Amino acid sequence: DQQVKQNSPSLSVQEGRISILNCDYTNSMFDYFLWYKKYPAEGPTFLISISSIKDKNEDGRFTVFLNKSAKHLSLHIVPSQPGDSAVYFCAASDFPGNQFYFGTGTSLTVIP
Amino acid sequence: DTGVSQNPRHKITKRGQNVTFRCDPISEHNRLYWYRQTLGQGPEFLTYFQNEAQLEKSRLLSDRFSAERPKGSFSTLEIQRTEQGDSAMYLCASSTRLRTSDQETQYFGPGTRLLVL
Repeated sequence: DQQVKQNSPSLSVQEGRISILNCDYTNSMFDYFLWYKKYPAEGPTFLISISSIKDKNEDGRFTVFLNKSAKHLSLHIVPSQPGDSAVYFCAASDFPGNQFYFGTGTSLTVIP
Repeated sequence: DTGVSQNPRHKITKRGQNVTFRCDPISEHNRLYWYRQTLGQGPEFLTYFQNEAQLEKSRLLSDRFSAERPKGSFSTLEIQRTEQGDSAMYLCASSTRLRTSDQETQYFGPGTRLLVL
């Protein structure tokens, strides 16, 4: 049973525009959420996180939004750059649980 | 380089053979996780250690799988009598949580890609 879902397998965006990646979850006990970026042949790299006590967290070009009532989070990248092209995974944890549950990933392509 | 390292990066084996992977976490991290990732999926939790104690195991971890972290530093994941269905990327991650109330971020290694023929 997939508790974290990324329904868009791929996304293409022009350089300089905004990229919006979406993630939905089903477990209402999740209260800590993360985004990871993965390049081919590498492990996932931590990007940004958000606790359920917040609805927004920003780090440079990356902003994560959390809508607890809709059980939805999104990652905004603005402006998008070609180096952002990668697979993005969202993950959730039922803090203080020890398991991270990952979505299936969205492959982002930023077109120069 | 002070990141998480994994060896080997690639392993090809024949069905029925045993394989062992090693993970060296970030040195000050007391928690170590193993995940499996197959094509088109996100990482799936297998097991985790706090220091040398293995505290949780997924039902994905059949009795052919065993993991150890003998001195609370590096960890090994062994798969006995490998099957073709074991072909996947095996990822290790480490983190630190000093207090129960702390949030944690897991930092991943590059993974070991296993192919069972």
